[in-house]
Amino acid sequence: DQQVKQNSPSLSVQEGRISILNCDYTNSMFDYFLWYKKYPAEGPTFLISISSIKDKNEDGRFTVFLNKSAKHLSLHIVPSQPGDSAVYFCAACFGYGQNFVFGPGTRLSVLP
Amino acid sequence: DTAVSQTPKYLVTQMGNDKSIKCEQNLGHDTMYWYKQDSKKFLKIMFSYNNKELIINETVPNRFSPKSPDKAHLNLHINSLELGDSAVYFCASSSRLPGQWRDIQYFGAGTRLSVL
Repeated sequence: DQQVKQNSPSLSVQEGRISILNCDYTNSMFDYFLWYKKYPAEGPTFLISISSIKDKNEDGRFTVFLNKSAKHLSLHIVPSQPGDSAVYFCAACFGYGQNFVFGPGTRLSVLP
Repeated sequence: DTAVSQTPKYLVTQMGNDKSIKCEQNLGHDTMYWYKQDSKKFLKIMFSYNNKELIINETVPNRFSPKSPDKAHLNLHINSLELGDSAVYFCASSSRLPGQWRDIQYFGAGTRLSVL
């Protein structure tokens, strides 16, 4: 029962180009979504979030887009840098509880 | 000055043993969590503690028990270890950042448990 899916296990992008990481969810109750980045041998670190009342949130090079009707969100990184190479996790939750549901992650490799 | 630290980083043990993983946070957060990252890489919440009260307890075996001696610590005890317990376990704590609707979680580096 995978409520949050990241169907691309890996993605390779040239430095300077755009990276687009996708996430799909099945539970229409989810109203808050987050992206975390994880380097090897470290824990995930928070990157950016979006609530269901918005369809876009931007923070520097990172933009998250939410399409509620399609139950889909995406993370855009422009321009991509080698230091962005990491595993990116999509997470979702609803209500005021702390029960976050994570996807399996997408490994991004930014090639110099 | 690591914000969320967990020990040990690696734990190799035999089936049937009892083991503990420690977690400490120096961020002053009220809520702490344990997650299990399984072989398919999903991070699944196991427990969370808020002000020493258990507020989430997912369907994990009762061989797993969280222990919180104080707000800064949430240790994970595992009894009678089984092969299927092999995974990476992450501790986390959370707070709400300005402008955020929900708590943001800060994770430790993980403990890789291997049960032989």
